[in-house]
Amino acid sequence: QKEVEQDPGPLSVPEGAIVSLNCTYSNSAFQYFMWYRQYSRKGPELLMYTYSSGNKEDGRFTAQVDKSSKYISLFIRDSQPSDSATYLCAMRRNDYKLSFGAGTTVTVRA
Amino acid sequence: DAMVIQNPRYQVTQFGKPVTLSCSQTLNHNVMYWYQQKSSQAPKLLFHYYDKDFNNEADTPDNFQSRRPNTSFCFLDIRSPGLGDAAMYLCATRQALNTEAFFGQGTRLTVV
Repeated sequence: QKEVEQDPGPLSVPEGAIVSLNCTYSNSAFQYFMWYRQYSRKGPELLMYTYSSGNKEDGRFTAQVDKSSKYISLFIRDSQPSDSATYLCAMRRNDYKLSFGAGTTVTVRA
Repeated sequence: DAMVIQNPRYQVTQFGKPVTLSCSQTLNHNVMYWYQQKSSQAPKLLFHYYDKDFNNEADTPDNFQSRRPNTSFCFLDIRSPGLGDAAMYLCATRQALNTEAFFGQGTRLTVV
């Protein structure tokens, strides 16, 4: 069983729709949770970071963490074609190793 | 301004010919990582440095080596690249007490 599971998609939505992404994990020691956006042939760019359970909002992006269910989510409101990318969830314990999901490829259709 | 710079962006090497990828950072972060990312897969950690302390992942092949001569630079050496080593190689940095990891743009390695 992989430490972090993420549905690879692909996910295609019309412009303006809400994009919903999620990951599940098996290691209850994970404390820090992140979402990265990766455009084709580029490095990952940090979008959101949360610590432990709860919600965090930043503009059109909302990250949720439910540690009891070992489940994290990212919501993108009012999606734009420029949001088309691969979204990677990542998490870590209180050490240096980041564990990633495989990424979900999202296409927002104009 | 780019903070984590990887060179080259694209590298083509011959099967079995040693190749070195480089990473530099202007953030003065003490942690540096090398990840391998194959198409449609999660980035896989190869090793990381905390200052000069080197930490190798248990499943990183011996074919992969790394050097960190100073805080700003880190190198990935692939001694004898095989076709299976073709991938995107990502360098990332992080300040020890900061949870954010910053990635470079990656080096896409092709083995012919």
